[in-house]
Amino acid sequence: GAVVSQHPSWVICKSGTSVKIECRSLDFQATTMFWYRQFPKQSLMLMATSNEGSKATYEQGVEKDKFLINHASLTLSTLTVTSAHPEDSSFYICSAREDRGNEKLFFGSGTQLSVL
Amino acid sequence: AQRVTQPEKLLSVFKGAPVELKCNYSYSGSPELFWYVQYSRQRLQLLLRHISRESIKGFTADLNKGETSFHLKKPFAQEEDSAMYYCALRGGWNQGGKLIFGQGTELSVKP
Repeated sequence: GAVVSQHPSWVICKSGTSVKIECRSLDFQATTMFWYRQFPKQSLMLMATSNEGSKATYEQGVEKDKFLINHASLTLSTLTVTSAHPEDSSFYICSAREDRGNEKLFFGSGTQLSVL
Repeated sequence: AQRVTQPEKLLSVFKGAPVELKCNYSYSGSPELFWYVQYSRQRLQLLLRHISRESIKGFTADLNKGETSFHLKKPFAQEEDSAMYYCALRGGWNQGGKLIFGQGTELSVKP
């Protein structure tokens, strides 16, 4: 079946640095990908919709200059957390929507970000 | 506004007992409803979607537009069903087809 690879699975960084998270659809094309944030035992909060070749659409309350999204190809979207602070520590999950067929969503395994 | 509500954070049942995970939604159009499951240390995966009207791993869910509900049911719970369950709603394409999740319900099936 379709696989979404998310990398890295965990990262620790110092406050003030930037961290890039990659989301790849391995065997299908995905014009649209989604980025979520999840706190322990809580829901997935949609941060933004990433569209290949165009600007991402951010949800209300999500700082676009803080969470930079780039979707340069049909199989890769990246989320960069800029000038990270401890409050950015969270579990970030991407999902990719298959372009063909019934347009199912497939999820990455997530990235645990810890900002010291 | 789109909203998905799962009123129970934790549901604990014994093996063999029936289980119902509640989900209510708020959406002005015709939504597409899903149930996703997240087993311990695994990624989120689709369990079932309302348009398929299928039964997966013994689970079923019926969309009730009158009550705006999409409850997940299984007549006889198994220990391996223990996981986090998320109800989700997908709006129309004019909203980017984004998926909105409920708060999640942790199902614990005891032996």
